[in-house]
Amino acid sequence: GESVGLHLPTLSVQEGDNSIINCAYSNSASDYFIWYKQESGKGPQFIIDIRSNMDKRQGQRVTVLLNKTVKHLSLQIAATQPGDSAVYFCARMDSSYKLIFGSGTRLLVRP
Amino acid sequence: GAGVSQSPSNKVTEKGKDVELRCDPISGHTALYWYRQSLGQGLEFLIYFQGNSAPDKSGLPSDRFSAERTGGSVSTLTIQRTQQEDSAVYLCASSDQPGQGNYGYTFGSGTRLTVV
Repeated sequence: GESVGLHLPTLSVQEGDNSIINCAYSNSASDYFIWYKQESGKGPQFIIDIRSNMDKRQGQRVTVLLNKTVKHLSLQIAATQPGDSAVYFCARMDSSYKLIFGSGTRLLVRP
Repeated sequence: GAGVSQSPSNKVTEKGKDVELRCDPISGHTALYWYRQSLGQGLEFLIYFQGNSAPDKSGLPSDRFSAERTGGSVSTLTIQRTQQEDSAVYLCASSDQPGQGNYGYTFGSGTRLTVV
């Protein structure tokens, strides 16, 4: 069935370390994936996206990796900062342009 | 406007009452989406409007839920005869027309609905 799931509900990292948030998907027809960050009391905020014709895409301190063979997506945050503490969602876009979201991973940054 | 605006930001209602939630999308965005987010959960798709096409209502959980979008801009999500399980944050998002530009949605801050 169609689903987007996450391996870890909570991730705790030391400030300055790199963070890796993982996501698995089941629908091989998906060709567009997005990572969102949601801070408390706010709506999700776009971080970075990637199309299925790419394996990797980099932004400012963030990198998204896509492994289509195992249907796995990851978000890497370099030099994690306290402001990175939030819930992170991966999402895939279906054929009718709806975004299907995973359940989220909470990132906690220890000072 | 500069972003997606939702009102009210918080709503407490008694079980059985009807509620209306409003969304003002980004000007010029043709696509508008409603999602529901229960406490500590992911986003559950409710309904999607794209231009003048018939809305995709496949995510509405029951016939107590309905939504409309007037003039291709403002949208109202209505929940009739509210139940306690309707308590959640209702998020609205808008985006550029699919197939052009950024597919990413811009979300509002949501309406937190509490049914008591």
